[in-house]
Amino acid sequence: EAGVAQSPRYKIIEKRQSVAFWCNPISGHATLYWYQQILGQGPKLLIQFQNNGVVDDSQLPKDRFSAERLKGVDSTLKIQPAKLEDSAVYLCASSLDRGAVTGELFFGEGSRLTVL
Amino acid sequence: SQQGEEDPQALSIQEGENATMNCSYKTSINNLQWYRQNSGRGLVHLILIRSNEREKHSGRLRVTLDTSKKSSSLLITASRAADTASYFCASTDSWGKLQFGAGTQVVVTP
Repeated sequence: EAGVAQSPRYKIIEKRQSVAFWCNPISGHATLYWYQQILGQGPKLLIQFQNNGVVDDSQLPKDRFSAERLKGVDSTLKIQPAKLEDSAVYLCASSLDRGAVTGELFFGEGSRLTVL
Repeated sequence: SQQGEEDPQALSIQEGENATMNCSYKTSINNLQWYRQNSGRGLVHLILIRSNEREKHSGRLRVTLDTSKKSSSLLITASRAADTASYFCASTDSWGKLQFGAGTQVVVTP
């Protein structure tokens, strides 16, 4: 079974530029999560989708971050404009049915962003 | 914001020893999960314990849950060098929102 795919793995940009990350979850997984993990910290939930609807985006900085999940499958996370403090690893995860209530999350390898 | 705290922040042990780490959370939960993260990699699920369970085992892992104290512990018995990683607890609410603690960095030396 293929895992969660993310791209790009690494991205370096200058502040005020924009960047987009892509995630392809495991086939059939209804729930998709985006997390931000700053070096030395635990992952912080940015947004949770159930199919193509948003369940929770309370910690998403909506002035600069946006995310969508088209047709309830792939998802993109965009940052525009980027700030230095956005340097982090962006992790995508997927899960069956009702997400973590049902069981485990499956994580991708992450996209590491460096903002200069 | 993080859901809770983990203790200790770092743990260094020798192969064969047991490793114990603790986790506290803030709100009521549906379940609590533990994940492992090797350096530069994604997270891997280890074990899930539901709010009506008190203890669970999986191989060399033992997890306890005390909902009255809003705390959990993870015990790794007979540690191996391959257990070197960061370990995170994560609490799940009724909507499936999974929030992580700050993690415990474990180093197991041969």
